[in-house]
Amino acid sequence: SYELTQPPSVSVSPGQTARITCSGDALPKQYAYWYQQKPGQAPVLVIYKDSERPSGIPERFSGSSSGTTVTLTISGVQAEDEADYYCQSADSSGTYQDVVFGGGTKLTVL
Amino acid sequence: QVQLQESGPGLVKPSQTLSLTCTVSGGSISSGSYYWSWIRQPAGKGLEWIGRIYTSGSTNYNPSLKSRVTISVDTSKNQFSLKLSSVTAADTAVYYCAGVGATTSFDYWGQGTLVTVSS
Repeated sequence: SYELTQPPSVSVSPGQTARITCSGDALPKQYAYWYQQKPGQAPVLVIYKDSERPSGIPERFSGSSSGTTVTLTISGVQAEDEADYYCQSADSSGTYQDVVFGGGTKLTVL
Repeated sequence: QVQLQESGPGLVKPSQTLSLTCTVSGGSISSGSYYWSWIRQPAGKGLEWIGRIYTSGSTNYNPSLKSRVTISVDTSKNQFSLKLSSVTAADTAVYYCAGVGATTSFDYWGQGTLVTVSS
């Protein structure tokens, strides 16, 4: 089955830049999406279609794509950004383009 | 603003069927959102997509759960539902309903409901 691979954890100090990667063979052909999830809460979309930012999401959140890897970048990390981040895309190998999530990355703000 | 709310039993016995309903408010379930999905998350683990139902009524499911899952919609009640049969402890999780909007991603999420499988 198709998998999206994320690092389990990323740590940064406040004000620094955090980069979270997501790798998958189909990412050159399928959009990626990023969600932020804080403890006890439902996920919140922070990036869609690789690099678009929904309204209400701070400008410090950005996304990029290069080959089989997409990257979520958080510039000037703040304490409130500490959360789990999940990438999501589609399995283009099947008929129905099933939804697939990455395993998640825990962002720790030191 | 579209809002989703899950409802259903919080405790299900092994081998029985888990049934949850998602009520959509602030918009019609038949328009706007491209499709509606169920997603689950075991404690301390990641998100797992269960399946989806399009506004046309067609469905597709995660291959790993396909033999046990049914998702249906009741447009008169603005609800869609999940049934997962033959549950085991491995099905214990927080279950979310979610909707795909204009961004083509999961714009709308319910708050999640914990379902525990135990005798």
